[in-house]
Amino acid sequence: DQQVKQNSPSLSVQEGRISILNCDYTNSMFDYFLWYKKYPAEGPTFLISISSIKDKNEDGRFTVFLNKSAKHLSLHIVPSQPGDSAVYFCAASVNTDKLIFGTGTRLQVFP
Amino acid sequence: ETGVTQSPTHLIKTRGQQVTLRCSSQSGHNTVSWYQQALGQGPQFIFQYYREEENGRGNFPPRFSGLQFPNYSSELNVNALELDDSALYLCASSPHPVGPTYEQYFGPGTRLTVT
Repeated sequence: DQQVKQNSPSLSVQEGRISILNCDYTNSMFDYFLWYKKYPAEGPTFLISISSIKDKNEDGRFTVFLNKSAKHLSLHIVPSQPGDSAVYFCAASVNTDKLIFGTGTRLQVFP
Repeated sequence: ETGVTQSPTHLIKTRGQQVTLRCSSQSGHNTVSWYQQALGQGPQFIFQYYREEENGRGNFPPRFSGLQFPNYSSELNVNALELDDSALYLCASSPHPVGPTYEQYFGPGTRLTVT
């Protein structure tokens, strides 16, 4: 039972354009959502998070949007840079810090 | 501030053997979680330790066990290794109570190969 789903395994975006990564979830009890970035041979690195009581959170070039009625969240990266090329994981939790991860989306930003 | 470290980096074991993976938490963090990341998948929660006791467990069999020590370092032990145990094992530390972003800090992982 995949509670957190990232249906796009890969995304390719030109440098300077917007990258939009999507995530869907099934458990309405999730109260916190996080995005992590992972480079090869490194552990996941925290990017940004959002509480279920909000619908948007912004941090520099990264913005996360949450649509609770659709059980959908997205990560926007503007402008995209070559250094953003990595695997991005969506994760969710229920009143705790035990995270349930999606399968990841590989983002490639090309010049 | 010291980050999360894990050892060893890589490990090759034979089916049926036992393995111990180690993790050193980030300074000041008293909670450690372990995750298994199979190829092409996201990390899956194995269990969490707080104050040297198991504080939640994912859908993993009892042959996966752990320890947390007073200095907050941790071990993951896997008995009777199976081929499907081949994966990247990630350790993550966090403060308790959780921080405002629910963030966990991950180590680089141990790549376990079972042959």
